Amino acid sequence: TQLLEQSPQFLSIQEGENLTVYCNSSSVFSSLQWYRQEPGEGPVLLVTVVTGGEVKKLKRLTFQFGDARKDSSLHITAAQPGDTGLYLCAGREQGGSEKLVFGKGTKLTVNP
Amino acid sequence: EAGVAQSPRYKIIEKRQSVAFWCNPISGHATLYWYQQILGQGPKLLIQFQNNGVVDDSQLPKDRFSAERLKGVDSTLKIQPAKLEDSAVYLCASSLDLRTAYEQYFGPGTRLTVT
Repeated sequence: TQLLEQSPQFLSIQEGENLTVYCNSSSVFSSLQWYRQEPGEGPVLLVTVVTGGEVKKLKRLTFQFGDARKDSSLHITAAQPGDTGLYLCAGREQGGSEKLVFGKGTKLTVNP
Repeated sequence: EAGVAQSPRYKIIEKRQSVAFWCNPISGHATLYWYQQILGQGPKLLIQFQNNGVVDDSQLPKDRFSAERLKGVDSTLKIQPAKLEDSAVYLCASSLDLRTAYEQYFGPGTRLTVT
């Protein structure tokens, strides 16, 4: 059973479109991170959210942590080809071990 | 600031052979992690070091995998003997310490193919 479920698994859109990807769990997390991974590279940290209901913005990317700290979403406005990559959510389960657990990721392709 | 370095970037071996990967974390980072990322999956933690001590190796297949960080800086991960299902990208990451484990910096990974 995957602790963090990401959806959709694959997403292919045109440049300029908006999109939202989701990261859901039945567990509560003390913190949740979003990473982007490009082919042949390691994941790069985009953001960390800690407080339930927290919203963080990074240029055209908006991250939200659910009120109950069980889920998160990533919204991209006016997607660009440079946004193409694998988006991974990861978190530390509250009351669990300190290790980071990852979802399977959403593979995003933005076509010019 | 230099990032996490890993070598080699690619390795192809036959099953039952041995292989070793090397990682040099960001300078000053006390915590080092080895992850296995199978195609289509997210990274899975294999082992976590704090300085030269093991913090968590609960998901390391100890019958064939070993890792060390003798001087608390760079680290090696070894597989002996390799199986076909070990084909994956092996990622090394580091963080300042355990308290900042939520902010990990990853190396480019080593892509292992076992034939």
